[in-house]
Amino acid sequence: DAGVTQSPTHLIKTRGQQVTLRCSPKSGHDTVSWYQQALGQGPQFIFQYYEEEERQRGNFPDRFSGHQFPNYSSELNVNALLLGDSALYLCASSSETSGRGTDTQYFGPGTRLTVL
Amino acid sequence: AQKITQTQPGMFVQEKEAVTLDCTYDTSDQSYGLFWYKQPSSGEMIFLIYQGSYDEQNATEGRYSLNFQKARKSANLVISASQLGDSAMYFCAMRESGTGGFKTIFGAGTRLFVKA
Repeated sequence: DAGVTQSPTHLIKTRGQQVTLRCSPKSGHDTVSWYQQALGQGPQFIFQYYEEEERQRGNFPDRFSGHQFPNYSSELNVNALLLGDSALYLCASSSETSGRGTDTQYFGPGTRLTVL
Repeated sequence: AQKITQTQPGMFVQEKEAVTLDCTYDTSDQSYGLFWYKQPSSGEMIFLIYQGSYDEQNATEGRYSLNFQKARKSANLVISASQLGDSAMYFCAMRESGTGGFKTIFGAGTRLFVKA
């Protein structure tokens, strides 16, 4: 049973460019969440996708957008990159079956983005 | 306001001894989930243990146990018989409800060093 996968592993971009990160959820999971983890900090929630729609969003600007496909995989897009966007981007999947927010999220290995 | 507080930036423990990592949380929800994740230097978030707000017994998973004190809003992680491979960052997290779904909030983390 494959876990959560993310691509690419590493990415180097320059300021002003755009980037797309990809995530495939764990088998059986229908919900994907994205997190940004700056060096030395805990992950910060960006947004969550369920049934191909953004269901929840954290305090991130509109430069951060996403998409979920019918097969539950997801993309995170960041436009007009800033130096401060350099971070580890983590994708997590879950199956929100309980409806009580108690389902465990499983994380992928992350994409390390460096903005020069 | 800080939702998840981990007051120990770093902890040292001797191999084979037990260690407690502290976590306090703040929420007005009745239904929520508490999680602990381990993050080695590779970056991947590894799920360790989960405690539901309605669970009356403390969760245990192998060498990991969660000391859940609901009235004090604390969810400390206890690692018994520490191993060198336990050296990593440890994050306490809480899932709480929001408009349209749930999101996970992480603490700042505690770096654990296991000494031989």
